[in-house]
Formats: sequence, structure tokens, C-alpha cells
Amino acid sequence: GDSVTQMEGPVTLSEEAFLTINCTYTATGYPSLFWYVQYPGEGLQLLLKATKADDKGSNKGFEATYRKETTSFHLEKGSVQVSDSAVYFCALPPNSGYALNFGKGTSLLVTP
Amino acid sequence: DTGVSQDPRHKITKRGQNVTFRCDPISEHNRLYWYRQTLGQGPEFLTYFQNEAQLEKSRLLSDRFSAERPKGSFSTLEIQRTEQGDSAMYLCASSPDRAVRNTEAFFGQGTRLTVV
Repeated sequence: GDSVTQMEGPVTLSEEAFLTINCTYTATGYPSLFWYVQYPGEGLQLLLKATKADDKGSNKGFEATYRKETTSFHLEKGSVQVSDSAVYFCALPPNSGYALNFGKGTSLLVTP
Repeated sequence: DTGVSQDPRHKITKRGQNVTFRCDPISEHNRLYWYRQTLGQGPEFLTYFQNEAQLEKSRLLSDRFSAERPKGSFSTLEIQRTEQGDSAMYLCASSPDRAVRNTEAFFGQGTRLTVV
């Protein structure tokens, strides 16, 4: 079935470092792809999305490009801040059924 | 629009007690989902409503769990005879009635349940 695989965390970076969180997917057809972020003790917030191949989603300095050739949707940010410390989830809609499929999440800690 | 609202935010209960959580979705959203999230894991799907109809249930939803959405607006999730393994964050999400494969879900802040 459709699924996503994320890199294992935790990831620890110094402020202003470059961030990459890898996500690869297996899907039938070409669904939209999403990145969600979860701050400590909170629910999930949609960070960005891409609806078709070669689309780039972006928000708050984060970017991810929907790459059909490599079935990837890696999350990047050029300069992370302490406030970016959170758990990041890659997700895609199902081929059958209704519920989003989530990766296991990647925890990011940014230190001053 | 105030987003998806969940109540309570936190619930501590003794093993064997019943608990009920409430979710108010975004007003124009027909679709409503319940997920469970345990520490260090991604959200796991529990159940889905299209308006008032419960169209999908995960095998995670044991017979101690029941969910309703009586008028197609708010939803409740009840857990009977709680067990320590039920301790988790319970997340509610909603989405508009568009093509499923292109539609994101909007999440509430969750209800954290602790069973002691």
C-alpha cells in the first residue's frame, strides 16, 4: 500500500545550520504530498504541500520538492532557528480509504 | 474560523473508568478523522466520518472504543474501561469535501490521556 519513509531522528543542529530531512514515498498514481510539524505538546500543523510532480512547496523558510524520479519529498531549510525545534512528519493521502499515511516523524532540536 | 477544537486538552483517569473526548471541526468541513499518537510515533488512524456516517474504522479501534458524529458537526470519542495502554494523544482532524488524494487534513491540538 501507499506509504512514506522518513529518516530516523533525532537530528540536532546548531542555529543557522542547513537542514535536510529525507522522505521517500511509495504511491499509486500521483497524490499530493505534505509535511506537517508538531511542536511540543501540540497537535499537527500543515507546514507545506505539493500537489504534483516537480512542484515545490514552501513556507516559513522551509522547502520541499515533489520528485517523481526519485519518489522523494525531502524537507530543507537553509538556516534553522531554535524555534524550529519540533517533530516533522511526511504524509501522503491513501490510495484507498480516507486517512493520511504518516511517517514515523523526525525530531529536530536546534541549539543556540 | 477558529480551526479544529478539542476538549479537554488533558485528561487523567483511573484504569477502568470511561472517558469521552469532544472534537469540533472546521465548520464547513464534511470529513472528520480521529487519530491516536503514542510517544515517538506518528499519528495512527482510528476512524473517519463523512458528515454523520462513520465510513471507516481501523482495527486499532477495539470494542471499548466508540465514536459518534450525530449531526454531522461535532464528534465524540468514548473509551470504556480504560487501560494503561490507552494512554496517548488523541488527535482530531477535519478536511473539506474535495478529492481525497489532494486534500490535507487540519488538526486540533489533541487530547492527552493518561491512565493511571
